[in-house]
Amino acid sequence: EAGVAQSPRYKIIEKRQSVAFWCNPISGHATLYWYQQILGQGPKLLIQFQNNGVVDDSQLPKDRFSAERLKGVDSTLKIQPAKLEDSAVYLCASSLGPNSPLHFGNGTRLTVT
Amino acid sequence: QQQVKQSPQSLIVQKGGISIINCAYENTAFDYFPWYQQFPGKGPALLIAIRPDVSEKKEGRFTISFNKSAKQFSLHIMDSQPGDSATYFCAASIVAGGGNKLTFGTGTQLKVEL
Repeated sequence: EAGVAQSPRYKIIEKRQSVAFWCNPISGHATLYWYQQILGQGPKLLIQFQNNGVVDDSQLPKDRFSAERLKGVDSTLKIQPAKLEDSAVYLCASSLGPNSPLHFGNGTRLTVT
Repeated sequence: QQQVKQSPQSLIVQKGGISIINCAYENTAFDYFPWYQQFPGKGPALLIAIRPDVSEKKEGRFTISFNKSAKQFSLHIMDSQPGDSATYFCAASIVAGGGNKLTFGTGTQLKVEL
C-alpha cells in the first residue's frame, strides 16, 4: 500500500511569513495526526482528526497554527505568521482508526530565518 | 505526568552486540508502549509495541521488556547490525481513551560499528 504522502519536503521562509503543508494519508485511514519534531527531540502531537472532525487540538498554538481536513481525506497545516521557533520537521501520520498503529510520512522540514 | 524519559541519548555498539535502550513513564493510565525507528530524512516507523498485560514481547532480533511496577520498559536489539544504525524513540499512549495520541521520548541515536 502507498504510504503517507507529504509535501513539500523542504521549505525555507522568513519570520512573519505564512506557510502551508499538505498531507495525503493512507487510503482508508480515518484518523490523521500532525506532529512537530524539533531537531534532537521526539515528535510532539499538534492535532488529531477523526474523519474530518477535530478530536484533540489542545497542543496546537491556535494563535498562529491552523489545520483542516476537508472531506475526511487530505489535510493541510498552516502557520501564519511563522516564528523562528517553528523551525522543525512537521510529520503527518494516519491510522485505520483511533486505536490503531500510526503510519508516518517523511515530513516537511521547515526552516524559519 | 505525560512525560516519557528515555536513555541513553546516544549509544555505540559493536556489530553482533546487544543494544539496550531504556524508557520510564509516570502516567499509569498509559496502556500502549511502541518503539519507533527513524532514519535520517524519514518519518518514524513502528518497530514493535507492547501492552501492559505482558512482560515481554519478541519480534525477530527486537525484544521489549516491560516492568509495570517500576513503570519502565526497554528495547533490546540482539545481534546488532550496521543497518540498525538509526534513532530510536519509545512512546506511550492511552489507547483506551479513544485516540492513539503518542507521547514520545527524546530519542536514542544508535550507531553500530563494524
